Amino acid sequence: GQSLEQPSEVTAVEGAIVQINCTYQTSGFYGLSWYQQHDGGAPTFLSYNALDGLEETGRFSSFLSRSDSYGYLLLQELQMKDSASYFCAMDSNYQLIWGAGTKLIIKP
Amino acid sequence: NAGVTQTPKFRILKIGQSMTLQCTQDMNHNYMYWYRQDPGMGLKLIYYSVGAGITDKGEVPNGYNVSRSTTEDFPLRLELAAPSQTSVYFCASSEDNSGNTIYFGEGSWLTVV
Repeated sequence: GQSLEQPSEVTAVEGAIVQINCTYQTSGFYGLSWYQQHDGGAPTFLSYNALDGLEETGRFSSFLSRSDSYGYLLLQELQMKDSASYFCAMDSNYQLIWGAGTKLIIKP
Repeated sequence: NAGVTQTPKFRILKIGQSMTLQCTQDMNHNYMYWYRQDPGMGLKLIYYSVGAGITDKGEVPNGYNVSRSTTEDFPLRLELAAPSQTSVYFCASSEDNSGNTIYFGEGSWLTVV
């Protein structure tokens, strides 16, 4: 079947670095996306990896290893506004399958 | 900068009633989607469209219908509402069918009582 696993909750301190992992299982894989969703808001696109390696966009980076069926989102210099849920989503067989999301709690 | 606009934002329905969630986008995207999100969960695809006149079922299509008569509009119809359809509904659009840059509407909170 097709599935993604990510931790349900991660806690970090303001100014620190946090990594949110995502493992996936599928028969046809084309890419891994990351989206941010604040409480009561809509998901917003953060990054997309189609190939192995690291993609960097400001304070956010995303990594993909296709051989390990694994990716992660790295958030640096955490700010209180980064408190949100983060979803990985895999592009598989022309449909986007979403993980259940990781709630990031940031403490001052 | 309208992007994806969906209405209504909030609605309470009685069991058995029907309603239509409206969605329009002004980015000339071919791909449009309807998702539902239950509390604490990820998004589940209800229906999607790859262009005007073409629609297809997603993971959870039962109890819903869609149409795509124009590139801009992609309404979602709920027939015979049931409590299991209580959820937040998101309309979205994209240039292609990868996960790369999907734009979402603000969401519609639907309660069926």
